[in-house]
Amino acid sequence: DIQMTQSPSSLSASVGDRVTITCQASHDINNNLNWYQQKPGKAPKVLIYDASNLETGVPSRFSGSGSGTVFTFTISSLQPEDFATYYCQQYNDLLTFGQGTRLEIK
Amino acid sequence: QVQLQESGPGLVKPSQTLSLTCTVSGGSSSSDGFYWNWIRQHPGKGPEWIGYIFNSGGTRYNPSLKSRVTISLDTSKNQFSLKLTSVTAADTAVYFCARGVTTIGDYFDTWGQGTLVTVSS
Repeated sequence: DIQMTQSPSSLSASVGDRVTITCQASHDINNNLNWYQQKPGKAPKVLIYDASNLETGVPSRFSGSGSGTVFTFTISSLQPEDFATYYCQQYNDLLTFGQGTRLEIK
Repeated sequence: QVQLQESGPGLVKPSQTLSLTCTVSGGSSSSDGFYWNWIRQHPGKGPEWIGYIFNSGGTRYNPSLKSRVTISLDTSKNQFSLKLTSVTAADTAVYFCARGVTTIGDYFDTWGQGTLVTVSS
Protein backbone atom coordinates (compact mmCIF):
# COMPACT_ATOMS: atom_id res chain seq x y z
CA ASP A 1 0.00 0.00 0.00
CA ILE A 2 1.11 3.54 -0.69
CA GLN A 3 0.70 5.84 2.29
CA MET A 4 0.25 9.58 1.82
CA THR A 5 1.36 11.91 4.61
CA GLN A 6 0.35 15.56 4.58
CA SER A 7 1.87 18.36 6.61
CA PRO A 8 0.87 20.34 8.42
CA SER A 9 -2.37 18.74 9.59
CA SER A 10 -3.77 22.19 10.31
CA LEU A 11 -2.75 25.70 9.44
CA SER A 12 -3.94 29.17 10.49
CA ALA A 13 -3.51 31.98 8.01
CA SER A 14 -4.93 35.34 6.99
CA VAL A 15 -6.55 36.59 3.83
CA GLY A 16 -3.79 37.51 1.39
CA ASP A 17 -1.23 35.08 2.84
CA ARG A 18 0.72 32.60 0.79
CA VAL A 19 0.36 29.06 2.11
CA THR A 20 2.04 25.80 1.19
CA ILE A 21 1.03 22.25 2.02
CA THR A 22 3.31 19.24 1.59
CA CYS A 23 2.35 15.69 0.72
CA GLN A 24 4.83 12.84 0.99
CA ALA A 25 4.29 9.43 -0.58
CA SER A 26 5.71 6.26 0.95
CA HIS A 27 6.85 5.11 -2.50
CA ASP A 28 7.67 6.79 -5.80
CA ILE A 29 4.39 7.73 -7.47
CA ASN A 30 5.88 9.67 -10.43
CA ASN A 31 3.50 12.63 -10.89
CA ASN A 32 0.35 10.60 -10.24
CA LEU A 33 -1.03 12.95 -7.63
CA ASN A 34 -4.12 15.14 -7.33
CA TRP A 35 -5.20 17.83 -4.89
CA TYR A 36 -8.76 18.36 -3.66
CA GLN A 37 -10.54 20.99 -1.61
CA GLN A 38 -13.36 20.01 0.73
CA LYS A 39 -15.74 22.32 2.57
CA PRO A 40 -17.87 21.14 5.51
CA GLY A 41 -20.78 18.95 4.47
CA LYS A 42 -19.66 18.89 0.83
CA ALA A 43 -17.86 16.46 -1.42
CA PRO A 44 -14.24 17.09 -2.33
CA LYS A 45 -13.53 19.13 -5.44
CA VAL A 46 -10.47 18.60 -7.62
CA LEU A 47 -8.15 21.58 -7.97
CA ILE A 48 -4.92 20.12 -9.35
CA TYR A 49 -4.37 16.90 -11.30
CA ASP A 50 -1.15 15.15 -12.35
CA ALA A 51 0.71 17.10 -9.63
CA SER A 52 0.75 20.45 -11.41
CA ASN A 53 -2.16 20.81 -13.82
CA LEU A 54 -4.90 23.24 -12.90
CA GLU A 55 -8.41 21.86 -13.37
CA THR A 56 -10.60 23.91 -15.70
CA GLY A 57 -12.29 26.78 -13.89
CA VAL A 58 -10.00 26.71 -10.85
CA PRO A 59 -8.39 30.08 -10.02
CA SER A 60 -4.73 30.49 -10.89
CA ARG A 61 -3.78 31.31 -7.29
CA PHE A 62 -3.78 27.53 -6.76
CA SER A 63 -0.73 25.60 -7.92
CA GLY A 64 1.01 22.30 -7.41
CA SER A 65 4.47 20.89 -7.97
CA GLY A 66 6.59 17.85 -7.29
CA SER A 67 7.33 14.38 -8.54
CA GLY A 68 8.40 11.09 -7.06
CA THR A 69 7.64 11.17 -3.35
CA VAL A 70 7.39 14.85 -2.36
CA PHE A 71 4.72 17.23 -3.58
CA THR A 72 3.65 20.74 -2.68
CA PHE A 73 0.39 22.62 -3.03
CA THR A 74 0.38 26.41 -2.83
CA ILE A 75 -2.23 29.11 -2.60
CA SER A 76 -0.50 32.33 -3.61
CA SER A 77 -2.92 34.78 -1.97
CA LEU A 78 -5.59 33.38 0.30
CA GLN A 79 -9.17 34.41 -0.33
CA PRO A 80 -12.02 34.04 2.18
CA GLU A 81 -13.53 31.15 0.22
CA ASP A 82 -10.27 29.16 0.43
CA PHE A 83 -10.65 28.26 4.09
CA ALA A 84 -11.35 24.54 3.85
CA THR A 85 -9.63 21.17 4.14
CA TYR A 86 -7.22 20.06 1.44
CA TYR A 87 -6.33 16.50 0.50
CA CYS A 88 -3.73 14.96 -1.73
CA GLN A 89 -4.56 11.70 -3.51
CA GLN A 90 -2.30 9.28 -5.38
CA TYR A 91 -3.36 7.01 -8.20
CA ASN A 92 -0.05 5.35 -9.04
CA ASP A 93 -1.04 2.16 -7.22
CA LEU A 94 -4.76 1.88 -6.51
CA LEU A 95 -6.05 5.06 -4.88
CA THR A 96 -5.09 6.64 -1.56
CA PHE A 97 -5.82 9.99 0.05
CA GLY A 98 -3.77 11.90 2.57
CA GLN A 99 -5.21 12.63 5.99
CA GLY A 100 -5.91 16.25 5.12
CA THR A 101 -4.78 19.77 5.99
CA ARG A 102 -7.34 22.00 7.63
CA LEU A 103 -6.82 25.64 6.67
CA GLU A 104 -8.33 28.01 9.22
CA ILE A 105 -8.68 31.74 9.49
CA LYS A 106 -6.16 33.39 11.81
CA GLN B 1 -23.40 18.26 -16.85
CA VAL B 2 -23.17 14.86 -15.20
CA GLN B 3 -24.66 14.54 -11.73
CA LEU B 4 -24.47 11.65 -9.28
CA GLN B 5 -26.91 10.84 -6.50
CA GLU B 6 -26.50 8.22 -3.79
CA SER B 7 -29.49 6.38 -2.37
CA GLY B 8 -30.04 3.65 0.19
CA PRO B 9 -30.72 3.01 3.87
CA GLY B 10 -29.20 5.39 6.37
CA LEU B 11 -29.21 2.80 9.12
CA VAL B 12 -27.87 -0.74 8.92
CA LYS B 13 -27.67 -3.31 11.70
CA PRO B 14 -24.34 -4.88 12.66
CA SER B 15 -23.46 -8.05 10.70
CA GLN B 16 -25.89 -7.10 7.91
CA THR B 17 -25.14 -5.89 4.39
CA LEU B 18 -24.86 -2.22 3.47
CA SER B 19 -26.35 -1.56 0.03
CA LEU B 20 -26.14 1.75 -1.81
CA THR B 21 -26.95 2.83 -5.35
CA CYS B 22 -25.59 5.75 -7.32
CA THR B 23 -27.73 7.14 -10.14
CA VAL B 24 -25.95 8.89 -12.99
CA SER B 25 -27.85 11.71 -14.71
CA GLY B 26 -26.84 14.03 -17.53
CA GLY B 27 -24.46 11.46 -18.95
CA SER B 28 -23.97 7.76 -19.57
CA SER B 29 -22.36 5.23 -17.25
CA SER B 30 -21.29 3.29 -20.35
CA SER B 31 -19.13 6.08 -21.80
CA ASP B 32 -15.46 5.35 -22.39
CA GLY B 33 -12.82 7.22 -20.44
CA PHE B 34 -14.59 7.01 -17.10
CA TYR B 35 -14.74 4.70 -14.13
CA TRP B 36 -17.23 4.61 -11.29
CA ASN B 37 -16.13 4.76 -7.66
CA TRP B 38 -17.32 4.39 -4.13
CA ILE B 39 -15.48 6.39 -1.50
CA ARG B 40 -16.25 6.79 2.19
CA GLN B 41 -15.22 9.26 4.82
CA HIS B 42 -15.23 8.79 8.57
CA PRO B 43 -15.82 11.95 10.63
CA GLY B 44 -12.74 14.13 10.71
CA LYS B 45 -10.72 11.78 8.50
CA GLY B 46 -9.51 11.75 4.93
CA PRO B 47 -11.57 10.01 2.26
CA GLU B 48 -11.06 6.25 1.90
CA TRP B 49 -11.39 4.77 -1.57
CA ILE B 50 -13.51 1.60 -1.51
CA GLY B 51 -13.37 0.47 -5.12
CA TYR B 52 -14.30 1.13 -8.72
CA ILE B 53 -15.89 -0.42 -11.74
CA PHE B 54 -15.28 0.24 -15.43
CA ASN B 55 -18.01 0.19 -18.05
CA SER B 56 -16.53 -3.14 -19.14
CA GLY B 57 -17.50 -4.53 -15.74
CA GLY B 58 -13.95 -4.84 -14.52
CA THR B 59 -13.48 -3.97 -10.86
CA ARG B 60 -10.73 -3.14 -8.37
CA TYR B 61 -11.13 -2.88 -4.63
CA ASN B 62 -9.27 -1.50 -1.65
CA PRO B 63 -7.37 -4.50 -0.23
CA SER B 64 -8.51 -3.63 3.29
CA LEU B 65 -12.16 -4.08 2.27
CA LYS B 66 -11.87 -6.45 -0.67
CA SER B 67 -13.27 -9.52 1.10
CA ARG B 68 -16.51 -7.70 1.93
CA VAL B 69 -17.10 -5.44 -1.10
CA THR B 70 -18.92 -5.89 -4.38
CA ILE B 71 -19.46 -3.08 -6.88
CA SER B 72 -21.77 -3.62 -9.84
CA LEU B 73 -22.92 -1.58 -12.80
CA ASP B 74 -26.32 -1.48 -14.52
CA THR B 75 -25.85 0.57 -17.67
CA SER B 76 -29.52 0.13 -18.65
CA LYS B 77 -30.54 2.03 -15.52
CA ASN B 78 -27.47 4.27 -15.53
CA GLN B 79 -26.67 3.16 -12.01
CA PHE B 80 -23.86 1.52 -10.11
CA SER B 81 -24.09 -0.08 -6.70
CA LEU B 82 -22.12 -0.95 -3.60
CA LYS B 83 -22.59 -3.92 -1.32
CA LEU B 84 -20.55 -4.18 1.87
CA THR B 85 -21.16 -7.29 3.91
CA SER B 86 -20.77 -8.06 7.62
CA VAL B 87 -20.78 -4.42 8.67
CA THR B 88 -19.67 -3.17 12.08
CA ALA B 89 -19.70 0.21 13.76
CA ALA B 90 -16.38 0.93 12.03
CA ASP B 91 -18.28 1.08 8.73
CA THR B 92 -20.29 4.08 9.91
CA ALA B 93 -19.30 6.88 7.55
CA VAL B 94 -20.45 9.22 4.81
CA TYR B 95 -20.44 7.28 1.55
CA PHE B 96 -19.82 9.07 -1.74
CA CYS B 97 -20.09 7.87 -5.29
CA ALA B 98 -17.72 9.56 -7.70
CA ARG B 99 -16.79 9.48 -11.37
CA GLY B 100 -13.17 8.93 -12.25
CA VAL B 101 -11.93 10.41 -15.50
CA THR B 102 -8.94 9.11 -17.44
CA THR B 103 -9.10 11.18 -20.62
CA ILE B 104 -6.85 13.91 -19.22
CA GLY B 105 -5.07 12.88 -16.05
CA ASP B 106 -6.78 10.47 -13.69
CA TYR B 107 -8.95 12.01 -10.99
CA PHE B 108 -12.44 12.26 -9.52
CA ASP B 109 -14.19 15.02 -11.44
CA THR B 110 -17.78 14.52 -10.27
CA TRP B 111 -19.09 13.45 -6.88
CA GLY B 112 -22.45 12.75 -5.33
CA GLN B 113 -23.45 14.78 -2.30
CA GLY B 114 -22.72 11.86 0.02
CA THR B 115 -24.99 9.85 2.26
CA LEU B 116 -24.44 9.06 5.93
CA VAL B 117 -24.72 5.40 6.80
CA THR B 118 -24.84 4.48 10.47
CA VAL B 119 -24.26 0.93 11.65
CA SER B 120 -26.18 0.37 14.85
CA SER B 121 -28.63 -2.04 16.36
